[in-house]
Amino acid sequence: DTGVSQDPRHKITKRGQNVTFRCDPISEHNRLYWYRQTLGQGPEFLTYFQNEAQLEKSRLLSDRFSAERPKGSFSTLEIQRTEQGDSAMYLCASSLILAPNYGYTFGSGTRLTVV
Amino acid sequence: GQQLNQSPQSMFIQEGEDVSMNCTSSSIFNTWLWYKQDPGEGPVLLIALYKAGELTSNGRLTAQFGITRKDSFLNISASIPSDVGIYFCAGLKVGGSQGNLIFGKGTKLSVKP
Repeated sequence: DTGVSQDPRHKITKRGQNVTFRCDPISEHNRLYWYRQTLGQGPEFLTYFQNEAQLEKSRLLSDRFSAERPKGSFSTLEIQRTEQGDSAMYLCASSLILAPNYGYTFGSGTRLTVV
Repeated sequence: GQQLNQSPQSMFIQEGEDVSMNCTSSSIFNTWLWYKQDPGEGPVLLIALYKAGELTSNGRLTAQFGITRKDSFLNISASIPSDVGIYFCAGLKVGGSQGNLIFGKGTKLSVKP
């Protein structure tokens, strides 16, 4: 068990460019979550998957954001036409549906800076 | 988005002192979680609580799920320098999404050796 892995750790992009982040969850975890965290705030929910099905999307997830988990394993989060307000830490987490310890395991995050 | 009310925002304490922080909400929760986050890293789960009134310990950490199901607290006893970091409470709201973990704004802990 290598934990939740996120790539890249840091991304600097120019406004208007598209960016894609990848998350590899803990292998036996069937749920995968994306959160966004800005400075001085707690993480905020964006979306989550159960296996390959995207079960919920937050209102924070504008139409410029899309997330996929094509084979129920790794997931990607794409942001199109980035804006400065998209600058944040993007966190991925995973869990089992019926784990006795329901806490999510988070990855180290991808820090996005839009210039 | 909705966030929990977490206090205090920050604490400066001497090594060896005990620490207490809490989290409140106007909504009822069925799960309370406490995380610690170091700079540039993701949150790490410390304690999970699933029943009203539940008191759970993890080493020097103790957390309780409030009887009203609207609050939780975390205590750290005999603090040490490596306790420095930001502590977040998080919860799953009754009737809310199973995936939408709601977080507080965090308590930043500083420990003087």
